[in-house]
Amino acid sequence: DIQLTQSPSSLSASVGDRVTITCRARQTVSTYLSWYQQKPGKAPKLLIYAASSLQSGVPSRFSGSGSGTDFTLSISSLQPEDFATYYCQQSYSPPWTFGQGTKVEVK
Amino acid sequence: QVQLQESGPGLVKPSQTLSLTCSVSGGSISSDSSGVYYWNWIRQHPEKGLEWIGYIYYSGDTFSNPSLKSRLTISVDTSKNQFSLKLNSVTAADTAVYFCARMIPRAREFDHWGQGILVTVSS
Repeated sequence: DIQLTQSPSSLSASVGDRVTITCRARQTVSTYLSWYQQKPGKAPKLLIYAASSLQSGVPSRFSGSGSGTDFTLSISSLQPEDFATYYCQQSYSPPWTFGQGTKVEVK
Repeated sequence: QVQLQESGPGLVKPSQTLSLTCSVSGGSISSDSSGVYYWNWIRQHPEKGLEWIGYIYYSGDTFSNPSLKSRLTISVDTSKNQFSLKLNSVTAADTAVYFCARMIPRAREFDHWGQGILVTVSS
């Protein structure tokens, strides 16, 4: 299995802050890396696919970068609706795996 | 707009079989002009992260997480536009929210999810 490690596990931020979350894979996943946002009691929502492509309808303040083993998700200016948990996920090689999640909380 | 909806019992006794169905609406579970989809089951233990369970193609081909493979059956009914999960010999460790999700061939991402169903394993 390809293990994904996110950092940090949680962070506190204010509205307007720039936020960066990293995801490191134990072996290459090329660009088969997606990012999801999950709010309490809801299903995850796709934000970024193919490491850097923005899913239709997702605000442009979200961006992704990276390839191989190191990836980042950035939120350029945090909005109130962005407080949530974020997961990376690889689909390079099954079993598909997820990072452990990063919870973005209000500072 | 494709929608997925999980259904099944919310309470299962230990050692019994957990059975869930995912109904797909607004699109075909078989192939279309966008390609062939993977139909997945994913679960989330209480206050924990996401665990991929397995997927099935409309053709019936499956791939399961090795950690669950010995207890798992995933099937598809294209006539009903549904796919199903059966997990046998359940224990309290199988208590989780179970999601169904569509994976598209573009970059193999989960683009549509069901709302999730909480299944509790308890006597």
